[in-house]
Parts: sequence; structure tokens; C-alpha cells
Amino acid sequence: DTAVSQTPKYLVTQMGNDKSIKCEQNLGHDTMYWYKQDSKKFLKIMFSYNNKELIINETVPNRFSPKSPDKAHLNLHINSLELGDSAVYFCASSQSPRRGPQNIQYFGAGTRLSVL
Amino acid sequence: AQKVTQAQTEISVVEKEDVTLDCVYETRDTTYYLFWYKQPPSGELVFLIRRNSFDEQNEISGRYSWNFQKSTSSFNFTITASQVVDSAVYFCALSGAGNKLVFGAGTILRVKS
Repeated sequence: DTAVSQTPKYLVTQMGNDKSIKCEQNLGHDTMYWYKQDSKKFLKIMFSYNNKELIINETVPNRFSPKSPDKAHLNLHINSLELGDSAVYFCASSQSPRRGPQNIQYFGAGTRLSVL
Repeated sequence: AQKVTQAQTEISVVEKEDVTLDCVYETRDTTYYLFWYKQPPSGELVFLIRRNSFDEQNEISGRYSWNFQKSTSSFNFTITASQVVDSAVYFCALSGAGNKLVFGAGTILRVKS
């Protein structure tokens, strides 16, 4: 049973389109994250939700909108896709960071987005 | 601001060699946690170890060992008797008071048979 699952694994689309990536975790965690990994493998946090509440919102274009229907799901919607959005997007989950910085984040397998 | 530096961009070794991956961090927090993750060619990110700032004991898990030295702000990772399956990108990461996980740039490890 996959702990953190993302769909789709690959996403190829044209510039200007709108797309969504879904993420679900079955670990019972109350915090979920989205990270972007660029072509140089650099990983950077984009958003974090704790119990459906946005707690981290890095400097990300507002074309990116996370949505958390419940604490087990965190979806990422991207409007008006641009070439520079091409990357691997990772979802992760952990126990609440409000308890401290010690929580291990468990990652999904990633979604490779290619914008043509 | 927190920062993690992995100065080695890429390392190539021959199977059975020992290899050490360096990690140096910067933080002003007194309580913080350090992590190592592995990203094999299949792409997923796999958690390897977590260490807190108050525990400088080295840790060994099979062929893997970690050396945490607060005096030099380093948290190095050694693989003993490397194997081809160890080929991956390895990330060091830091989490402090802001509860954000900050990653280093990663080190690509290539183990040749």
C-alpha cells in the first residue's frame, strides 16, 4: 500500500493550459506539502497545509493554487502553464510541524510535468 | 536564514569502495533536525535518517553511517563497501524553528561495477 501517492506520474501539456496534480496520503498525517524539483535536482518547498489550513506559502506565482479538501489530500492546480513550470513536483506528508521541527516528511513518487 | 551546502556535485566510485558524502549546514536555531534522503534513478525520495541537534552520537545502519559534528556544522554520510544499487542522488536537509525542510543541492553518487 503506497503511503503517499501522486497522480499522474507524467504530465505533458501545452503552454497556456490548466492542469492539476493530485496527492493522497494514508499515513494518518495532518500536514502535507508540495515541493518543486528543477532540472538541476534542486528541491524547494512551495506550500504546506496543516489540517486543511495553509501554513507555508513560499514565493510561488499565484497561477499555482493548492487545495486541501481534507487532511489526507492536497491537490495542486496550475493555471496558464508556462515553459518554466516544467519540473518534477513532489507531494509529502508528516505529523504536525506545530509539535516541532522533528517530523519526518514522507514523499510521493513525484509527477514529472513537461510543458511544451 | 537556514542553508545546507553539499559541495560535492558528483562522485564516482568503483564497487566496494567506501565513499563519504559531505553536508555542511547553517542555522541560528538551537533546536534543529538534520536529515538525509536518497533519490534513486526511479525518482522517488526515500528517507534515510534524522538527527537532532542535541544528539551528536554517530549512527550506523548496516553499510551506512553518519557523522554529526556540531563544532563544524557538518553531518556527513558514509557508505561502506559501496554497491551499484547505491547509485542515486543523496540530499541532506535541515529543519529548524520555521518547520520548513531546507534541502542541499544534492550529490550524485555513481557506483560502477
